[in-house]
This record gives sequence, C-alpha cells and structure tokens, in this order.
Amino acid sequence: AQRVTQPEKLLSVFKGAPVELKCNYSYSGSPELFWYVQYSRQRLQLLLRHISRESIKGFTADLNKGETSFHLKKPFAQEEDSAMYYCALSGGSNYKLTFGKGTLLTVNP
Amino acid sequence: DAGITQSPRHKVTETGTPVTLRCHQTENHRYMYWYRQDPGHGLRLIHYSYGVKDTDKGEVSDGYSVSRSKTEDFLLTLESATSSQTSVYFCAIEDVNSYEQYFGPGTRLTVT
Repeated sequence: AQRVTQPEKLLSVFKGAPVELKCNYSYSGSPELFWYVQYSRQRLQLLLRHISRESIKGFTADLNKGETSFHLKKPFAQEEDSAMYYCALSGGSNYKLTFGKGTLLTVNP
Repeated sequence: DAGITQSPRHKVTETGTPVTLRCHQTENHRYMYWYRQDPGHGLRLIHYSYGVKDTDKGEVSDGYSVSRSKTEDFLLTLESATSSQTSVYFCAIEDVNSYEQYFGPGTRLTVT
C-alpha cells in the first residue's frame, strides 16, 4: 500500500526565513512524487515533480530514497507563498495519486 | 485552467436527497478523478475513470456512484446525501504522459 505522511499540519515562518515542508512516503516500488499547492479559495495546481528536477517559484524538492522523503524547501519565504501544500505519490500503472493530509504554510510579514 | 470545469460550484441540500455533481473537460484526457477535501484529511479519492463506461472505486467510495457516458463528462452522484458528505469536491484529469493531474475549481456541498 502506498502512503504519504506530512507530519506538520501548520507551519508558520517569517518573510525571508527558510522554509521546509516535510513529506515522507511509503511505497515498495519506484514512486513518482509531486508537490501540489492550493492558494486561498483556488484550485490545486502542480508546484513541482521530482522527475523534472525543476525549481518553481524558488521551491525545490529532492527525492531521498534512503529516507523515503521528498521535502519541499525554499531559502527565503515570501508572503505570497502562504498556502496549503500537498505532497502526493503515484505508483505503478494505476495512475492514482495518493495525497498527504497537507501542510498549511503561513508566511508572516 | 486546463479546460476543466465543475458544476454547480456551490450547493446546499437536505439529508436524504439525491445530488449529482458534474465535471466537464475539453482536453480529451482518458483519466478522470473525483476527490473530496476535508480538514485534517487532505484529498481522498472517491472514484476514478479510465475511459468511457470504465470506472473504479477509490478509498472513500461508500455512498457515491459515478458515470461516464462521454469522454468529456464525469458525473458524481450521492444517492441519498448525508451530513458526513458535506465537503469540497474536486474533479481532476490526468495527462498520462507526465502523470500531472489538473484540478477543477471545486464544488462546495453542504448537506443540512
């Protein structure tokens, strides 16, 4: 069974501070991992996926297979980063995504 | 917004009444999904479809049914709504080449 754990429901930082949103997963094969973001009252949108190794809006995430983690990081948080962040995993050929419960990030001025 | 819409956007209904939510896409994607979003639970998969008339259950399918008679439409039906089904419902489509899912704007359903 595949599982995604986001241990922090809430995370509050000040503008300009580094931020790290944690994500751990459980999956026996080689997963595809994603971070989705939901700004207030908007639809979910893909922030980044591990396979593309991109940096979007200053965020990066590295897949650590040894620790089964995919933490999202940004060196200098901005107020507009305040949102709900979901880590998600896709495994196998069924194309289904399993989401974590989300972390609400608040960036204070 | 990836050509995916949902209707209605808001609905208030009474316990025991049937409710149908519609998801419409213009992208011709094969895979479509229905999720519910609840505080403390994140997004949970209700049902999904991998083609016309091909559907399967997700992790929280009890009390819900779906139908897909056309590629572009995926309907979610609550046969007899209960208060526990008060939630925000999101539809999503998937690009099978990238595994990326695109989400609709959501439907806020309140069952009184």
